[in-house]
Amino acid sequence: EVQLVESGGHLVQPGGSLRLSCAASGFTFTDFSMNWVRQAPGKGLEWVSYISSRSSDIFYADSVKGRFTISRDNAKNSLFLQMNSLRVEDTAVYYCARDNGYLSFDFWGQGSLVTVSS
Amino acid sequence: EIVLTQSPGTLSLSLGERATLSCRASQSVSSNYLAWFQQKPGQAPRLLIYGASIRATGIPDRFSGSGSGTDFTLTISRLEPEDFAVYYCQNYGGSPPWTFGQGTKVEVK
Repeated sequence: EVQLVESGGHLVQPGGSLRLSCAASGFTFTDFSMNWVRQAPGKGLEWVSYISSRSSDIFYADSVKGRFTISRDNAKNSLFLQMNSLRVEDTAVYYCARDNGYLSFDFWGQGSLVTVSS
Repeated sequence: EIVLTQSPGTLSLSLGERATLSCRASQSVSSNYLAWFQQKPGQAPRLLIYGASIRATGIPDRFSGSGSGTDFTLTISRLEPEDFAVYYCQNYGGSPPWTFGQGTKVEVK
């Protein structure tokens, strides 16, 4: 069974940093690209970042470029999102999602809440 | 960036009725890389349709997707109680950013 479990979200002050993790199981992690998608309270979905299976291709939404860094550790079946210079508008539930090419984002974690507030 | 506009914002229907949701793209979606997701309160999105018209594994056949280019439709043939939720379309082809529509809420009338 495919499982994605996010962790690391909590309350942080504006300008602060946070690192999210996503632990993957039930599939061959090295065969898949991965994404982070976020959802602000009461709002829609926003794609945040993408990393290919071997980390050779990385992309970011303009809203987080230069502040967030995506990475993965294939030996530990883990995906990460380092978030720096956090802003109030970064407050959201952050989901990791498996990228299955033509099958789109076929599995999602349960999400991790990041709250940026003073 | 491809902007996806979903309509209507809210659809009020009764059990057993047919739901028709629209997703219009600001430019042609590459090779029909258009997906539909369902999201219930407090839950992660669930993939329903990919490639504009292909049902994901385990999705009931009352859900169907159609369209190409810039106009896409998700149809739920007969609403079941578990179908009341928010639905999002997504462009996932070509270069990033891979955008989502703003969502359509299907609620009980």
